[in-house]
Amino acid sequence: GENVEQHPSTLSVQEGDSAVIKCTYSDSASNYFPWYKQELGKGSQLIIDIRSNVGEKKDQRIAVTLNKTAKHFSLHITETQPEDSAVYFCAASKTDKLIFGTGTRLQVFP
Amino acid sequence: DGGITQSPKYLFRKEGQNVTLSCEQNLNHDAMYWYRQDPGQGLRLIYYSQIVNDFQKGDIAEGYSVSREKKESFPLTVTSAQKNPTAFYLCASCGTASNQPQHFGDGTRLSIL
Repeated sequence: GENVEQHPSTLSVQEGDSAVIKCTYSDSASNYFPWYKQELGKGSQLIIDIRSNVGEKKDQRIAVTLNKTAKHFSLHITETQPEDSAVYFCAASKTDKLIFGTGTRLQVFP
Repeated sequence: DGGITQSPKYLFRKEGQNVTLSCEQNLNHDAMYWYRQDPGQGLRLIYYSQIVNDFQKGDIAEGYSVSREKKESFPLTVTSAQKNPTAFYLCASCGTASNQPQHFGDGTRLSIL
């Protein structure tokens, strides 16, 4: 079955710097890749997603890139702010079931 | 406002006791999901339902049960057979068109007394 690996598990950056989180997936048939942000004690909020017919998608300070050949996709956050601090999860799917990565705890220091 | 409501936010279970976690959505979504989250791990799928009166086991269904009598509701029962129930439980829903984003509730944290 599908397996999703996510790195790093923790990431600390200075406010204003960029943060990059990477995920790799095993099933080449996967065609949908969402990213979720989870704040402490809360559920996960979709922040951006990308489908396999697109290589890059951007929404203000957040962007996602997809390399289908290498089977990896990445989340890029530019000009980080303290409120970006949270746990970020990537996921991959080819049907209606999402397979999640293990999460990255991002800390943005003022 | 449309969304997913999980209750309670915190729940405690005694040995041998069954407990039920509530999940309600008013997004008119056909599909609903239950996930379990443990520290340092990703979300693992317990059960999911694509239509009313139908549901399928996920990757870790043992010790859990669900029902889907109404489109809006997908309660999860953690039975006494689940020997390690302490976790954060998340409910999600989405439309049934291909690759629709899942919307999550705020979760229920279950602990053992």
